[in-house]
Amino acid sequence: EPEVTQTPSHQVTQMGQEVILRCVPISNHLYFYWYRQILGQKVEFLVSFYNNEISEKSEIFDDQFSVERPDGSNFTLKIRSTKLEDSAMYFCARGTSGGHYEQYFGPGTRLTVT
Amino acid sequence: GIQVEQSPPDLILQEGANSTLRCNFSDSVNNLQWFHQNPWGQLINLFYIPSGTKQNGRLSATTVATERYSLLYISSSQTTDSGVYFCAVLLYMEYGNKLVFGAGTILRVKS
Repeated sequence: EPEVTQTPSHQVTQMGQEVILRCVPISNHLYFYWYRQILGQKVEFLVSFYNNEISEKSEIFDDQFSVERPDGSNFTLKIRSTKLEDSAMYFCARGTSGGHYEQYFGPGTRLTVT
Repeated sequence: GIQVEQSPPDLILQEGANSTLRCNFSDSVNNLQWFHQNPWGQLINLFYIPSGTKQNGRLSATTVATERYSLLYISSSQTTDSGVYFCAVLLYMEYGNKLVFGAGTILRVKS
């Protein structure tokens, strides 16, 4: 059973369009993360989210990115105006609490910007 | 920032062979995870191993935190072991934490 599910599994969009990627945790967790992986490259941290607020973000996570948990369950990553270089696999991960910070990844959303 | 280096970058094995993958990191870390990325792109947790040795079937891992390295052992490799193996170190930051990944080892197991 996956720790989190992500939708869609694959999204194709045109440059300049907005996209929303969704992450749905199986159970109620407080720690969430978004990572991305450009094809053939390493996985990179984007942002961490704790107790419904951004706790840390990387230099990649600029003003065109935003995260929220609109209904207290789904966790979304929005890219406002996509660029070709945003094409990547985007992973949502959830963390464990209590000082044991193992992270579990969802299956990913493959975003293709044309 | 912290550097995470994995070796070898590529590895081709004959089915049934054993292998050792290495992960070096440049600074003290709080924890370390090993992942297997399968051909569908999914990241599968293998080990959460801040120190010591753990075993899970044909896989085992050892982390020597004081010497800043971790090893992943694969014994009696199978074609289903093919994929990319990543190590990732956990860093605590002011208000949260994040994983810093290495570049991975691409493993191909031939039948």
